[in-house]
Amino acid sequence: GAGVSQSPSNKVTEKGKDVELRCDPISGHTALYWYRQRLGQGLEFLIYFQGNSAPDKSGLPSDRFSAERTGESVSTLTIQRTQQEDSAVYLCASSSDRPIAGDNEQFFGPGTRLTVL
Amino acid sequence: AQRVTQPEKLLSVFKGAPVELKCNYSYSGSPELFWYVQYSRQRLQLLLRHISRESIKGFTADLNKGETSFHLKKPFAQEEDSAMYYCALQGAQKLVFGQGTRLTINP
Repeated sequence: GAGVSQSPSNKVTEKGKDVELRCDPISGHTALYWYRQRLGQGLEFLIYFQGNSAPDKSGLPSDRFSAERTGESVSTLTIQRTQQEDSAVYLCASSSDRPIAGDNEQFFGPGTRLTVL
Repeated sequence: AQRVTQPEKLLSVFKGAPVELKCNYSYSGSPELFWYVQYSRQRLQLLLRHISRESIKGFTADLNKGETSFHLKKPFAQEEDSAMYYCALQGAQKLVFGQGTRLTINP
């Protein structure tokens, strides 16, 4: 009965290294989103997975960013050759299919705080 | 295209004063609109949805299709209302968020 979980909760890395962030959505949720939240800023959409459809990657800021999702479960967000401007909290959210109009609540994870030195 | 605009990045009011957080949207179909809230050190969470026509923690929001707005209102602000508020629109595909308004309630 747990909610969305993310790991690690904190990640400190050196500029130029690759990092991998993990998201475990709520079981049965077909939709999964990744967002970035810079300090004091709003949500920045990164990528959206919905079932078996091709992911919507329109929010990825550069080709250093990529994400995968295994079926309707775990997702990983990978950032290659990290830069200092990648420092942010990375949020994952999941939601169910749309059986009832208006019932598409997104459930958010606690986020991964990434610091690039 | 789906778009949500929250014109105020920051909003500061005194305790007991009325609060209105503005949200305007752009969408050609019939929208489903939501307000999400993020309190300090807590997860982002749903506050209310327009289809439920509910009042949560004293907040209400009315969908005005003519003005394409979904402003969030509360008649008397409380200090615990201080948080980041996001308006969101569910269109044909993904949920789209506005940039958020940071609300600060001064004692």
